[in-house]
Amino acid sequence: NAGVMQNPRHLVRRRGQEARLRCSPMKGHSHVYWYRQLPEEGLKFMVYLQKENIIDESGMPKERFSAEFPKEGPSILRIQQVVRGDSAAYFCASSPRSASGPSNTGELFFGEGSRLTVL
Amino acid sequence: DAKTTQPTSMDCAEGRAANLPCNHSTISGNEYVYWYRQIHSQGPQYIIHGLKNNETNEMASLIITEDRKSSTLILPHATLRDTAVYYCIVHNTDKLIFGTGTRLQVFP
Repeated sequence: NAGVMQNPRHLVRRRGQEARLRCSPMKGHSHVYWYRQLPEEGLKFMVYLQKENIIDESGMPKERFSAEFPKEGPSILRIQQVVRGDSAAYFCASSPRSASGPSNTGELFFGEGSRLTVL
Repeated sequence: DAKTTQPTSMDCAEGRAANLPCNHSTISGNEYVYWYRQIHSQGPQYIIHGLKNNETNEMASLIITEDRKSSTLILPHATLRDTAVYYCIVHNTDKLIFGTGTRLQVFP
């Protein structure tokens, strides 16, 4: 069973370009989480999605950032008109069920991240 | 989710037990304690979690005090590969909120 797959592993963009980061969850997982980690800082929650639905986007910047998790295919984190401050590692995690509630294990499976560098 | 407090950094000699403390004095009755770690540049890795009882798995042991206001993660025989940032998270919502964690350095 392959783990969470993220691509690209490294992405370089110039200011003003668009960045698309993809995340394929583990087989059978329908819950996806995106986190951002700025250099030398901790992980910051961005968004939580289930298939075709955004459940919690409280950590997403209000502009330029969007996420989707279509019925078929990977989850996509899209950053429009990138700026230097967007340079970071973006981690995706998946879970077979919501990370809360009495039946949860709380275990999220993380990918190896996509490192975005904005020139 | 309740707030956690962890030491910024700790050292441990290889082969010895690493005991990583975490304070969560505002934890509520239905909140679990989770531990994750992040080895440099890698994605976070789940270690263990618990509610009230002590827990043990192949990676570590989790000791939760009776009042649940604090816990300790124990790596029984630390190796150099255990050098990482260890995160203690208390939650029962739909997402995990990571703090700053404890940077554990295992030395030879």
